[in-house]
Amino acid sequence: EAQVTQNPRYLITVTGKKLTVTCSQNMNHEYMSWYRQDPGLGLRQIYYSMNVEVTDKGDVPEGYKVSRKEKRNFPLILESPSPNQTSLYFCASRNSGAYSDTQYFGPGTRLTVL
Amino acid sequence: GEDVEQSLFLSVREGDSSVINCTYTDSSSTYLYWYKQEPGAGLQLLTYIFSNMDMKQDQRLTVLLNKKDKHLSLRIADTQTGDSAIYFCAERDPGAGSYQLTFGKGTKLSVIP
Repeated sequence: EAQVTQNPRYLITVTGKKLTVTCSQNMNHEYMSWYRQDPGLGLRQIYYSMNVEVTDKGDVPEGYKVSRKEKRNFPLILESPSPNQTSLYFCASRNSGAYSDTQYFGPGTRLTVL
Repeated sequence: GEDVEQSLFLSVREGDSSVINCTYTDSSSTYLYWYKQEPGAGLQLLTYIFSNMDMKQDQRLTVLLNKKDKHLSLRIADTQTGDSAIYFCAERDPGAGSYQLTFGKGTKLSVIP
């Protein structure tokens, strides 16, 4: 089954404790990205990756890092989480063709930073 | 910059049609999308429309695009209680190397039995 998976789905942590949220897709997509969803603000892009070893900042990259060592994986790293990073995080991967351009989202990771 | 606007709430009775509206500002958008988010779940791609189309139908879903007014709508025929969710409109700017989607804030659809 074609899908985007994220782990963990729920995480409660404390300020300053490094964490990683994993994202994996089995569709051989080149493009992957991370979004955060906050009430009243909708979804905002954090980072994206056009291909292996190619990453770039989205609209809200501060406090986050990513890496893309393999095509299927795109982990999101919070080196020193802070309470303002409490949010719902979505990973996405993109499929494009001559007449299509669709992005598929993972199930989300709800992060609480105390 | 791009902006996508949606009304926040919509209530309909089961069996009626639902129409969710969206306006966008970027006239160069090539693809426009509708995503559905059920409580506690991720974003599910419902349908999308290419900007050279006026209408797209997929079973109970009909998407209408008015490029002149930059208006997109999603019609759900014979709305069921399982359609209760938040619906997001999104656009993609072809000039954006990030392929970033710009989302509206979502319309919460409540279906009354």
